[in-house]
Amino acid sequence: GAVVSQHPSRVICKSGTSVKIECRSLDFQATTMFWYRQFPKQSLMLMATSNEGSKATYEQGVEKDKFLINHASLTLSTLTVTSAHPEDSSFYICSAPGTGTRGYGYTFGSGTRLTVV
Amino acid sequence: LAKTTQPISMDSYEGQEVNITCSHNNIATNDYITWYQQFPSQGPRFIIQGYKTKVTNEVASLFIPADRKSSTLSLPRVSLSDTAVYYCLVGVTDKLIFGTGTRLQVFP
Repeated sequence: GAVVSQHPSRVICKSGTSVKIECRSLDFQATTMFWYRQFPKQSLMLMATSNEGSKATYEQGVEKDKFLINHASLTLSTLTVTSAHPEDSSFYICSAPGTGTRGYGYTFGSGTRLTVV
Repeated sequence: LAKTTQPISMDSYEGQEVNITCSHNNIATNDYITWYQQFPSQGPRFIIQGYKTKVTNEVASLFIPADRKSSTLSLPRVSLSDTAVYYCLVGVTDKLIFGTGTRLQVFP
C-alpha cells in the first residue's frame, strides 16, 4: 500500500532555531499533503494543506510565517518551524489523501516529535 | 461538516469484543462514516469506512442503522495491541478533521 515516510522521527532544538520536517510519498505521487499538530492527550489539529507547485493553505489561527510549508515535487512536502519556541514542542504528522472517496485510506507519516529547549 | 460524538474513553480486557459508538445526528445524505486508529506516538491509520448497514474487513466491523445517525465500530476479541485512540469521521470532503476520539485501554 501507499507509504509516507516522515523524517526526522524525533528532534530536539534550541529556542530560536529552525527545524525542517520532511514527508515523502514513497510509491505514489502526492499532489496534496496535510500537516497536523498534536499535543499530548489531545486530538490532531489540522495546520495546513500543501499542494504541489502552489502556495499552502493554512487553517485559521496558524501563522504561515512561522510554519513554512513547501511542496516542491510530487513526492516531497516539507514543514519548517521557524524561530522555534518551547510552546512549539509537539507531535507533527503529515498525511496524503487516499485514492478512494471521502476520507477513505488516507496515509499518515509516522510523526515527528519536536522538543524545543 | 457533521459533528460527531464519541465516548472519551473505554476499558476492556483481552479477548472481549469492544463496541465504540459514534453519534452523528446531522449526517448528510452523501456522507460516509470513516474510522481511524492511532497508536501512541504514531500517525493514524485507516480502519474502515461505510455508508449504510454493515461493513466488515479483517480488522473490524462497522454497523450503521437505517437512520445513519450513529454508527458502531466493533473490534472482535481485542488484544493488548488494540490499545489506541479511535476516531470517527463524518462528512469528509478533502481534509480529515479529527474530533476527540475514544481512548481504548485493553487490560490483560
